[in-house]
Amino acid sequence: GAVVSQHPSWVICKSGTSVKIECRSLDFQATTMFWYRQFPKQSLMLMATSNEGSKATYEQGVEKDKFLINHASLTLSTLTVTSAHPEDSSFYICSARTVLAGSTDTQYFGPGTRLTVL
Amino acid sequence: GDSVTQMEGPVTLSEEAFLTINCTYTATGYPSLFWYVQYPGEGLQLLLKATKADDKGSNKGFEATYRKETTSFHLEKGSVQVSDSAVYFCALTLTTDSWGKFQFGAGTQVVVTP
Repeated sequence: GAVVSQHPSWVICKSGTSVKIECRSLDFQATTMFWYRQFPKQSLMLMATSNEGSKATYEQGVEKDKFLINHASLTLSTLTVTSAHPEDSSFYICSARTVLAGSTDTQYFGPGTRLTVL
Repeated sequence: GDSVTQMEGPVTLSEEAFLTINCTYTATGYPSLFWYVQYPGEGLQLLLKATKADDKGSNKGFEATYRKETTSFHLEKGSVQVSDSAVYFCALTLTTDSWGKFQFGAGTQVVVTP
């Protein structure tokens, strides 16, 4: 159990267009979902935290108007990169937080989405 | 603030060698500690975790013990395989923190050669 999927796994887009990335928890309901950005050979940088039905909380320095997060249900969160530019090219990873039966509170990560902006 | 420090890589080992990746943390409360592994081109997979002092997490031959006195959570494996080549991230979360945000270390790349 505890599978998190992301779609698409990779996307190439032109500068100025918008790209939507989906994050789904397939076999559990996530109380909270997180979006991270990872640059090559670096650690994950938390971008924002989202709870179902409420506005996302963005980390300092992350533009909320550029990275739109919608948490429509307990199993789906989307990240839209608006008016993408080459500097937005990165690996975007989501995670879903839950407490599984017989376990403790932890996060499960999606496989990531590679975004390349030309 | 809360932080995680792990040894820099890359760590290059021969197959069947002993692996240790050091991880230390600073936290204002009582964190849960995790090791995640990332294979090339993939997301993070939970490797093991420990939620309180003296707990030992183990999985796939990897072990780590939560040491409160040294604020450490070092990852060890007695005999590595080529398939263990990956980047390993140490992380903490304060369960009392808002929405369980994670703090990650910088990651340590491990390369195992035949």
